Amino acid sequence: AQSVTQLDSQVPVFEEAPVELRCNYSSSVSVYLFWYVQYPNQGLQLLLKYLSGSTLVKGINGFVAEFNKSQSSFHLRKPSVHISDTAEYFCAVSDPRQGGSEKLVFGKGTKLTVNP
Amino acid sequence: DGGITQSPKYLFRKEGQNVTLSCEQNLNHDAMYWYRQDPGQGLRLIYYSQIVNDFQKGDIAEGYSVSREKKESFPLTVTSAQKNPTAFYLCASSIGPFRDTGELFFGEGSRLTVL
Repeated sequence: AQSVTQLDSQVPVFEEAPVELRCNYSSSVSVYLFWYVQYPNQGLQLLLKYLSGSTLVKGINGFVAEFNKSQSSFHLRKPSVHISDTAEYFCAVSDPRQGGSEKLVFGKGTKLTVNP
Repeated sequence: DGGITQSPKYLFRKEGQNVTLSCEQNLNHDAMYWYRQDPGQGLRLIYYSQIVNDFQKGDIAEGYSVSREKKESFPLTVTSAQKNPTAFYLCASSIGPFRDTGELFFGEGSRLTVL
């Protein structure tokens, strides 16, 4: 079974600093990978996704993620964060062979807090 | 604008009462889902439906029930059998089986508090 590990439950940073949110997954097959963002008391929205092709994926709000197959990782990065980036970020993985989004597996989330 | 609408956003319930959370989508998606979110636990799948008049249990279906009589609607009932119902509930949709990539579209959520 697939699993997703988000290595940090909380990440505090100062405004304009770079940030990396780490995500590792366990799967022996090809995968689809996602990062979702959740602002307080709201639903999740898609930040970016990797389905195939270039391993560097650009998302909304200046975020990028890099798929590293050899390390089973899909870390999320932003070179300079803003106060408005304060939110919880979820990494998720699915198996293309299994179809159906009910198979999507979520990590437990990383709370990013951007301080002035 | 297309999207998913959940209501109510906040709901209070006394122990022993059933409550129903509404979820409506106008994205023309075939599949719909209910997740439960608790602090530090990520999202857990309660029920999902890939097509009208059909639904399947997820990982934590006990104490919950759903129906899918229309493509646009997927209400969730939290019954009195659910031992710890206080949580944030998220409804989501996706294109549907055989075309899905795993991308979900979420509603704004409903926060249920049992008094």
